[in-house]
Amino acid sequence: GAVVSQHPSWVICKSGTSVKIECRSLDFQATTMFWYRQFPKQSLMLMATSNEGSKATYEQGVEKDKFLINHASLTLSTLTVTSAHPEDSSFYICSAWTGGYYEQYFGPGTRLTVT
Amino acid sequence: AQSVTQLGSHVSVSEGALVLLRCNYSSSVPPYLFWYVQYPNQGLQLLLKYTTGATLVKGINGFEAEFKKSETSFHLTKPSAHMSDAAEYFCAVSEGAGGTSYGKLTFGQGTILTVHP
Repeated sequence: GAVVSQHPSWVICKSGTSVKIECRSLDFQATTMFWYRQFPKQSLMLMATSNEGSKATYEQGVEKDKFLINHASLTLSTLTVTSAHPEDSSFYICSAWTGGYYEQYFGPGTRLTVT
Repeated sequence: AQSVTQLGSHVSVSEGALVLLRCNYSSSVPPYLFWYVQYPNQGLQLLLKYTTGATLVKGINGFEAEFKKSETSFHLTKPSAHMSDAAEYFCAVSEGAGGTSYGKLTFGQGTILTVHP
């Protein structure tokens, strides 16, 4: 089946620094990638939709200047958490989608801890 | 707008017993419906999905779900639980093809399934 990887799998950073998370579709090309965050014992919340070659669209309440998304190719999307704060600590999950009736394939997630 | 409600944040069954995880949705347009499973510290894996056609859909690992439009439900069942089924399960909804939010998933709160020997 299709595989989506995320790197890093976990990261600890100091408050005020920036962290970049990569999401790659390893054996297929994804026209769209979605970014979700999941707080402990809670559900996934969609943050933004990323289409290759165009600006990401953000869900209501998500700060686009804080969560920078770049979708430079059909196999790579990156999420940069800028000036991270402890409240940004969460599990970030991406999914890759080819559209149509095809399913979204989820990455294994990245656990971010901001100290 | 769409929403999903999963009844019961925790469900506990004995090995070999019926598994029933409940999901109700709200959608102003014909929905696509999904069940995902998440094991600890892992991403989500698709169990099954309903898009169009037959309302009873079969998925992996012996799971199935039935789309009931009149009840706005998409409950997940498995006749006989196995220890390896212990995980967290998420129901999700998206708009169908042509919708402005097509592809975006709205997830329920999740149900943690515990299987006792």
